[in-house]
Amino acid sequence: AQTVTQSQPEMSVQEAETVTLSCTYDTSESNYYLFWYKQPPSRQMILVIRQEAYKQQNATENRFSVNFQKAAKSFSLKISDSQLGDTAMYFCAFREGGTSYGKLTFGQGTILTVHP
Amino acid sequence: EAGVTQFPSHSVIEKGQTVTLRCDPISGHDNLYWYRRVMGKEIKFLLHFVKESKQDESGMPNNRFLAERTGGTYSTLKVQPAELEDSGVYFCASSQVNSYNEQFFGPGTRLTVL
Repeated sequence: AQTVTQSQPEMSVQEAETVTLSCTYDTSESNYYLFWYKQPPSRQMILVIRQEAYKQQNATENRFSVNFQKAAKSFSLKISDSQLGDTAMYFCAFREGGTSYGKLTFGQGTILTVHP
Repeated sequence: EAGVTQFPSHSVIEKGQTVTLRCDPISGHDNLYWYRRVMGKEIKFLLHFVKESKQDESGMPNNRFLAERTGGTYSTLKVQPAELEDSGVYFCASSQVNSYNEQFFGPGTRLTVL
């Protein structure tokens, strides 16, 4: 079974600075997807960024980028130029590849607070 | 386009009672998932529908939980009888069939069993 571990229960950062959230996972699969989801306070969870395991290039979405280290089974999220609206719970998630659907396996989440 | 909606947003019931949670997926999404987050722990998968069929129900904790998806549209998750350990936030997600399978989440239903 796959496991996802987020070792940072809480993080904080000053506005405009950069922060990195850690995620490690364990799987015997070679084909899979990794995701970072964000849940702002009292709002629903939305997808921030995704990475296909077969792609060596790290995914980037505006201020959000990942550092995907397949051999180390590490998938960290870097948020540049942090904004107050980035305050949220961040979840790392794993999904097996091979089909066009499938359940997500989540980490425990990291609460990120951006301070003005 | 309306997102995934869930009803109710919050439910407080006594141990032994029955509660039914509802999820309306995004129109046209054949995949529908239920997840649960118990206080302080990770979000865990419960089950997955493809249209009206249960594709994977490996995460359902026990037979007190019954999920249905009539006509492949909305889904209900019934807990009968509820126990204290059922308290948590129940999330629903839906997705189209494509290679990325981005799952769109609802706001969740917070269930409190007293």
